[in-house]
Amino acid sequence: DTEVTQTPKHLVMGMTNKKSLKCEQHMGHRAMYWYKQKAKKPPELMFVYSYEKLSINESVPSRFSPECPNSSLLNLHLHALQPEDSALYLCASSQERSGYSTDTQYFGPGTRLTVL
Amino acid sequence: AQSVAQPEDQVNVAEGNPLTVKCTYSVSGNPYLFWYVQYPNRGLQFLLKYITGDNLVKGSYGFEAEFNKSQTSFHLKKPSALVSDSALYFCAVRDKGSSNTGKLIFGQGTTLQVKP
Repeated sequence: DTEVTQTPKHLVMGMTNKKSLKCEQHMGHRAMYWYKQKAKKPPELMFVYSYEKLSINESVPSRFSPECPNSSLLNLHLHALQPEDSALYLCASSQERSGYSTDTQYFGPGTRLTVL
Repeated sequence: AQSVAQPEDQVNVAEGNPLTVKCTYSVSGNPYLFWYVQYPNRGLQFLLKYITGDNLVKGSYGFEAEFNKSQTSFHLKKPSALVSDSALYFCAVRDKGSSNTGKLIFGQGTTLQVKP
């Protein structure tokens, strides 16, 4: 089973709202990722958690706040977003058994976010 | 710097004909290469990867890719295209820098259109 689940599927929020995106995997993977994707463009890496610790933050604005409560769950907290933050937000996970692992990243279906 | 290029924004083929989606890479050392497919409003699905060994890699849904070190290419192929193969295809290379564990570098994507 290579399933990564994401909720909600769609989210519409105003610029003053606070919302959260959720990602879950039960494959025993120890690395989890958040990506942002604009239409017909490649995914842009935002954050990487490895063994529940933040290992990569690609200079993402502080209005995006990741959280990894346990090895199966990854959240992305959203606050005071801008209309240009509207995009598909993808979560992924991989096994990451070593620093130079060749493990495959498996992606969830994404959350389509619209900021009004 | 490591990079991946997909020289064609769009590839059009007739159903039943062979298809090729091109990818070239620039990586120091041995590359770890991946192909993903994305259907509209969906996440990325893993197709195949090259780590080492046989230059011809077989993947999901009848796809294969040929690793060519001298030409620094990793083209995706399928002997007989289906209309249902129409999607956005991404080539990616694993960033092997020590501070970038888990990071994938994506090409710009190629839209494959298979016509009946």
